[in-house]
Amino acid sequence: SAVISQKPSRDICQRGTSLTIQCQVDSQVTMMFWYRQQPGQSLTLIATANQGSEATYESGFVIDKFPISRPNLTFSTLTVSNMSPEDSSIYLCSVGRAEPHNEQFFGPGTRLTVL
Amino acid sequence: QQQVKQSPQSLIVQKGGISIINCAYENTAFDYFPWYQQFPGKGPALLIAIRPDVSEKKEGRFTISFNKSAKQFSLHIMDSQPGDSATYFCAASRRTSGSRLTFGEGTQLTVNP
Repeated sequence: SAVISQKPSRDICQRGTSLTIQCQVDSQVTMMFWYRQQPGQSLTLIATANQGSEATYESGFVIDKFPISRPNLTFSTLTVSNMSPEDSSIYLCSVGRAEPHNEQFFGPGTRLTVL
Repeated sequence: QQQVKQSPQSLIVQKGGISIINCAYENTAFDYFPWYQQFPGKGPALLIAIRPDVSEKKEGRFTISFNKSAKQFSLHIMDSQPGDSATYFCAASRRTSGSRLTFGEGTQLTVNP
């Protein structure tokens, strides 16, 4: 499995500000994803980060609120824009490969609290 | 629409007992069914996974049972230990959708010593 790191590990932010979360992988990967996990809840896919093109967003998530970059095969960022307390969650990146399995591995997460 | 339903929401088991968590899915196009284990403050860790061409997969104390006709799969933890206390998520994906995972709601397992 890949070694995945996220920065920051946690942050407390003020309403109306933006936070950029970084995800770094120790090897080149085809697929990178961003998930949100609200307190005590399951994981919800925000978007697929595509290298060299725009991210593919899931229903209910939009680029203006969650812009994503993926400049290369080992790095991606997720920005949470114009934050509100409802954005308080754990944000997780994951990496995956299509072959030979659909395995996905998760980073440690970024715990965001919005006041 | 919730495509993967997981039960129970919480489970308490005595040390040495068997923990069983169940999941049911709706989309017959799913072709990969992993289970993840998550400890507080950590990201989910891939525990074990199965494809629909087999009915059972075992890795150590962890076994997945898969029933394709019923669209159900379950995780069995044999000889449960206090260190197994965590939240467990089932998930499903299909290769043609870029391996995007759909997660169940999660089960909080507590193993008492």
